Amino acid sequence: NAGVMQNPRHLVRRRGQEARLRCSPMKGHSHVYWYRQLPEEGLKFMVYLQKENIIDESGMPKERFSAEFPKEGPSILRIQQVVRGDSAAYFCASSPVGARLDQPQHFGDGTRLSIL
Amino acid sequence: DQQVKQNSPSLSVQEGRISILNCDYTNSMFDYFLWYKKYPAEGPTFLISISSIKDKNEDGRFTVFLNKSAKHLSLHIVPSQPGDSAVYFCAASAGTSGSRLTFGEGTQLTVNP
Repeated sequence: NAGVMQNPRHLVRRRGQEARLRCSPMKGHSHVYWYRQLPEEGLKFMVYLQKENIIDESGMPKERFSAEFPKEGPSILRIQQVVRGDSAAYFCASSPVGARLDQPQHFGDGTRLSIL
Repeated sequence: DQQVKQNSPSLSVQEGRISILNCDYTNSMFDYFLWYKKYPAEGPTFLISISSIKDKNEDGRFTVFLNKSAKHLSLHIVPSQPGDSAVYFCAASAGTSGSRLTFGEGTQLTVNP
């Protein structure tokens, strides 16, 4: 499967625990984006990363959330001390370059995070 | 502040007829628009896009129209097929914002056989 791979597909955490969501971009893609979808809403941008660099984190909550895209390995979205309001579907997308024209972002199937 | 709005949460059409999905935006800096289709428990799948320098882009059964003065775009699907039943998201990007996409809330399209 050459698509964007996200794991786990489903993640259950108790309040106060940490959640780690992983994303492997499509082969040849070096730009990764994370979006969050709350129930009955559209996707909301969170963060845009290139290898070892955060380009735009204007959509990230200021506390408890962090993201990285190391030189080797997948991109990680980390949520510390989770709360019920973090329950959502988290989608990762990738593109070969940052420019938009004729280079649409391709999405993974998401991680459904449920907080007990 | 909802910069991209899809005012119809749902749309139902008969197989073979035309489906028209609408999207309005408020940010005049948006210069690139996309439509994605999403099935339950899957990620959005890219359908078609249009640059602000154009007013129409066509790809098979899918055509996107852009009216910059009205800040409105629409997706036409003709003929509609039952397999087109999904949630359709309109998204926009602004050159000044790099590559972040701003999404509408989505429209659930149901195509009845």
